[in-house]
Amino acid sequence: DGGITQSPKYLFRKEGQNVTLSCEQNLNHDAMYWYRQDPGQGLRLIYYSQIVNDFQKGDIAEGYSVSREKKESFPLTVTSAQKNPTAFYLCASRDLFRDTQYFGPGTRLTVL
Amino acid sequence: GDSVTQMEGPVTLSEEAFLTINCTYTATGYPSLFWYVQYPGEGLQLLLKATKADDKGSNKGFEATYRKETTSFHLEKGSVQVSDSAVYFCALSVSTGNQFYFGTGTSLTVIP
Repeated sequence: DGGITQSPKYLFRKEGQNVTLSCEQNLNHDAMYWYRQDPGQGLRLIYYSQIVNDFQKGDIAEGYSVSREKKESFPLTVTSAQKNPTAFYLCASRDLFRDTQYFGPGTRLTVL
Repeated sequence: GDSVTQMEGPVTLSEEAFLTINCTYTATGYPSLFWYVQYPGEGLQLLLKATKADDKGSNKGFEATYRKETTSFHLEKGSVQVSDSAVYFCALSVSTGNQFYFGTGTSLTVIP
């Protein structure tokens, strides 16, 4: 089955720790995105990547980092510099031909 | 800049009622318009899309028509079901841009 997978589904982090969220796609899409969603709110763009080895900051990149070493993978690291990281994180990839984004199931991060 | 404004919720309807969720947009180019649906604890799923003026997107009884003259893409369904309870997001993308722009989401609850 083609799709986007995110792992883990739930993640708990102690204050001061870095944590990495996984996002993998087998849709052969060049573009990938990370969004943050807080309760009752919309999506805010953290980072996006149009192609391997290239990525750009979104609206709320501070305290986050990404890498794009492979087309299939776009991991997000939440660093200790992110002061309020508890949220639902969504990864997406974009079919440029159909101009459509497809989303993974999300990772819920909770800081203890 | 490009943006989407959608009707604030929450919306509560009785089963078999008519649904309208309003969405208007601002775009510098020629956007594609989308409706996504999010069920609790899950990622966003594409519900329907329209790529040019006067196009009608439809899926699972939901419809939306791309109205360039009113810059709108309102979501409608003639008879909602309990299973339609979810959060609905309006979104746009501009072919010359790299990003999608999402509305803040409208929560729908359908009661039996």
